[in-house]
Amino acid sequence: AIRMTQSPSSFSASTGDRVTITCRASQGISSYLAWYQQKPGKAPKLLIYAASTLQSGVPSRFSGSGSGTDFTLTISCLQSEDFATYYCQQYYSYPYTFGQGTKVEIK
Amino acid sequence: EVQLVESGGGLVQPGGSLRLSCAASGFTFSSYEMNWVRQAPGKGLEWVSYISSSGSTIYYADSVKGRFTISRDNAKNSLYLQMNSLRAEDTAVYYCARDQVAGHFDYWGQGTLVTVSS
Repeated sequence: AIRMTQSPSSFSASTGDRVTITCRASQGISSYLAWYQQKPGKAPKLLIYAASTLQSGVPSRFSGSGSGTDFTLTISCLQSEDFATYYCQQYYSYPYTFGQGTKVEIK
Repeated sequence: EVQLVESGGGLVQPGGSLRLSCAASGFTFSSYEMNWVRQAPGKGLEWVSYISSSGSTIYYADSVKGRFTISRDNAKNSLYLQMNSLRAEDTAVYYCARDQVAGHFDYWGQGTLVTVSS
């Protein structure tokens, strides 16, 4: 199975900050990568797919980049509603696998 | 409006069985591939199983292979997960998720909690 490793596992940030989360695949996955946001007690929400395509309705402050093994999710100007846990997911091959998550907390 | 509503979770003893259901509405269910994803308490997301739109192609995570069975009834707009030989490590919230295209999930249900404990 392809292993997905996110970094950092958690960090604190302030509203208005530019934040970047990285995701590394244990083997090349082309651009078959999605990013999700999850808030406590809620289902995950798709933010980005195909590594850089913004899902309909997702604010443009979210962006994704990368291909092969290294990927990033960037939030250009952190808003209060963005404090959550973020997961990357590869869908290059079964079994689909997720990163362990990155929790973004309020500083 | 797309809606996915899971049901069937609950408390079950180790070795027991449970059948989860996911009722879909607001879209043409028979045109979409579907998945089950689970999340153990305080842990990350784990993909469990996939079924194609017709039901002809199915995949499982190694952790559930041989114990869980995914199925669907397109006439009833429903997805199922039959879980047998349940273990404590199967304790999780189980989500059904619609496959937008080729493996990323654009809609998720609210989840149903399965607790395996004596």
